[in-house]
Amino acid sequence: SQTIHQWPATLVQPVGSPLSLECTVEGTSNPNLYWYRQAAGRGLQLLFYSVGIGQISSEVPQNLSASRPQDRQFILSSKKLLLSDSGFYLCAWGTPSTFGSGTRLTVV
Amino acid sequence: QKEVEQDPGPLSVPEGAIVSLNCTYSNSAFQYFMWYRQYSRKGPELLMYTYSSGNKEDGRFTAQVDKSSKYISLFIRDSQPSDSATYLCAMSRSGGSYIPTFGRGTSLIVHP
Repeated sequence: SQTIHQWPATLVQPVGSPLSLECTVEGTSNPNLYWYRQAAGRGLQLLFYSVGIGQISSEVPQNLSASRPQDRQFILSSKKLLLSDSGFYLCAWGTPSTFGSGTRLTVV
Repeated sequence: QKEVEQDPGPLSVPEGAIVSLNCTYSNSAFQYFMWYRQYSRKGPELLMYTYSSGNKEDGRFTAQVDKSSKYISLFIRDSQPSDSATYLCAMSRSGGSYIPTFGRGTSLIVHP
């Protein structure tokens, strides 16, 4: 069966520090992968999606970047976090999408 | 106008009530319609997935799509306190792009 792993579950980082969130999928090959951000009281904002290794599409210009070094691995990064980067980050795969458990990021 | 509109609520109902959750949309190209349930501090989980117009039933849940009105609904029968969560609708176009567009979500509270 297909499973999706996302970590860490919570993260508190100072402004200006780097970020790396990782997502891996098991039980499927060449999945479409997505990174979303969900701010409090707001809907899901699509940040990046990928249809294959090394293929990344950015939906919102911002302080974040994404990479897909392996077929079932999707990484969200930042070189310098901003306060506005705080939120709930979700990785997902496929259509209809299966979501990971999310990472709650607080930038202080 | 946003592509997908969903009342954020909260919607508060007594246990056992029939709940109706709704979304409207503006893009007539949407063909696939989804409902997700999201508990606090968790990722959304897929509840219902339908293609084009019509009804789909799964246990206490019924999804309804009216493409002529660009309106979708999720009905929950015999609602339980465990149904308390945020419900997000999502929809996507057919063809090459399957990236879904999500509503903001409706917060549902079922009180005993």
